[in-house]
Amino acid sequence: QVQLQESGPGLVRPSDTLSLICSVSGGSISTDYWSWVRQPPGKGLEWIGYIYYSGNTKYNPSLKSRVTISVDTSKKQFSLKLSSVTAADTAVYYCARGDRYCSGGICYFATFDFWGQGTLVTVSS
Amino acid sequence: QSALTQPASVSGSPGQSITISCTGTSSDVGGYKFVSWYQQHPGKAPKLMIFDVTDRPSGVSNRFSGSKSGNTASLTISGLQAEDEADYYCSSYTSSSLVVFGGGTKLTVL
Repeated sequence: QVQLQESGPGLVRPSDTLSLICSVSGGSISTDYWSWVRQPPGKGLEWIGYIYYSGNTKYNPSLKSRVTISVDTSKKQFSLKLSSVTAADTAVYYCARGDRYCSGGICYFATFDFWGQGTLVTVSS
Repeated sequence: QSALTQPASVSGSPGQSITISCTGTSSDVGGYKFVSWYQQHPGKAPKLMIFDVTDRPSGVSNRFSGSKSGNTASLTISGLQAEDEADYYCSSYTSSSLVVFGGGTKLTVL
């Protein structure tokens, strides 16, 4: 059973960079997609981006210019950096595993099958 | 990319069946089998209920079922129970190799 745990500051100043780490246990990080999803208070889920275990990344176009996701396989961790944050970035941030489906040598993101508990990040001075 | 379209709310009485729709385009829901549904109770992380349009993960009740027709996917919950009251979200893979969620549907069990 894969388990994920987010960690990082709960308060970030406006214009600073939000940094979170997701620690993975109970499975290998050297497969699948590793993702970040956020949820502003009282609102719906928003996909931020994912990193494939090989290092390839995809980001939500609305956040692409400010987002970096990276993976450290030796530590079984992946991370999120979101720059130039504003109050609109206040949200619960979840890390999740994206299961993959591969066919004919091509792999696709299939579903988020394991989720962290989430961590609230507030952007405020 | 635009969010998938879900009704804001649905309701039903215990024992009844309800269906939640999730409408996208041929570039996401209509183009791939990678449509999923998640259940989220207040203050909790989302939980996978349906993947690949119709499949249930181990441990999910068979009262939950999924389907798709064209660009619209649907989640049906039969034999509604009080514990089913939650928010439900759909997601889909897209032709740009991205992921998009629906806006979410609040299910109320009357």
